[in-house]
Order: sequence, then C-alpha cells, then structure tokens
Amino acid sequence: QKEVEQDPGPLSVPEGAIVSLNCTYSNSAFQYFMWYRQYSRKGPELLMYTYSSGNKEDGRFTAQVDKSSKYISLFIRDSQPSDSATYLCAMMDSSYKLIFGSGTRLLVRP
Amino acid sequence: GAVVSQHPSWVICKSGTSVKIECRSLDFQATTMFWYRQFPKQSLMLMATSNEGSKATYEQGVEKDKFLINHASLTLSTLTVTSAHPEDSSFYICSASGEGKGSYNEQFFGPGTRLTVL
Repeated sequence: QKEVEQDPGPLSVPEGAIVSLNCTYSNSAFQYFMWYRQYSRKGPELLMYTYSSGNKEDGRFTAQVDKSSKYISLFIRDSQPSDSATYLCAMMDSSYKLIFGSGTRLLVRP
Repeated sequence: GAVVSQHPSWVICKSGTSVKIECRSLDFQATTMFWYRQFPKQSLMLMATSNEGSKATYEQGVEKDKFLINHASLTLSTLTVTSAHPEDSSFYICSASGEGKGSYNEQFFGPGTRLTVL
C-alpha cells in the first residue's frame, strides 16, 4: 500500500465548475499537508499548505484536512482553463521529508 | 518568494556517459537540498537529501555510486548521473530549503531537468 493515494484522473470539467481533488494517506505521523500544481515539464509550485485538521482558504482555493479519516481535499471554485495542470498532494512528517501523491491531471474546458 | 534554478533544463546524452545537473538557490541560502526523479505520469520520488558540507543521504533503492550528489556551498548542489543508461531517462527536480525561509521547512522547487539517454 502506498503511503499516499491519489486518483490520477484525468478529470475534465467545464469552465466555472467547482473542482474537488482528494488524497488519502496511511501514515498518522504526517503533520503538514500540501497541494502543488505542476504544469507539463515544469517543477511543482506550492498552492497551499495546512497543518493539522481543518480548512484553509486562499482565493478560489480551499484546502481541507481530516486527520481522523486520513483524507485531504483541495477545492477550486470558478475553475479556469489556466487551472489545467497536474495537482499533487504532498505530506510531511517530523523528518521534513515530502511524500507525494501520484498527481491528478485536471483539464478545464473553455 | 524564493527562486531555485536548474541547469540544464534539457539534456540528451549517449549511453555510458556522465551528466551533471546543477541546482542553485538564487536568493537564499539553502541549508538542505533535495533531489527528486519523476517518470512520465508518475509522482516525484525523493532520491536523496543533502545538507551543505555533508554527505548526501540516499533513499532506499537509489545507488549512491551512480547518482553522485555534491552540496559544496549554500547555494549550489549538483547531481551527476554516472554511466547513464536509457532507463535513467527521467525528469530530475531539485528543491531547497533554508533557515528562516518559508515555514515548516518549506521546500522551493526548481524547474526540473529532462534527461534523455540514447
């Protein structure tokens, strides 16, 4: 079993839709939870990070962490074609080592 | 923000040759640098962690004699793929973290280097 599971997609939505991206994990030692966006053949770009359970909002993006269920989500409101990319969840324990999910490819259709 | 660069962005080499990839932190001192490998449509897999002036710590299954990592200064780390073979073809990404930069030991990622071994 992988430490972090993420549906690879692709996920195709129309412009303006609400997008929901999810990851599950097995290691209860994870403390920090991140979402990265990666465009094709580019390095990942940090979108949001959260520490412990709860919600965090930044513009059109909302990150949710449910440590009891070992489940994290990223919501994108009013999705735009420019949001089309691969979204990677990542987690970190006290060793500060990042463990990535496999990434979900998102396509926002104009 | 924090900027991390990589050079080259793309390299093609013949099987059996060695390739060096540079990772630089441009506007902060990187006490720790990380090297990842990403195969097509797969996630980033950590290869090794290096602290400035120390030997790199390699992840299980990564050959340290094949992937030589040097972190001689607070702004530069290099990854040398020795005797490269076609199965080493991949996207290599570095990241860097530094004291007081970002939070939770945030890692700042470079743009990646695409290696193709013929």
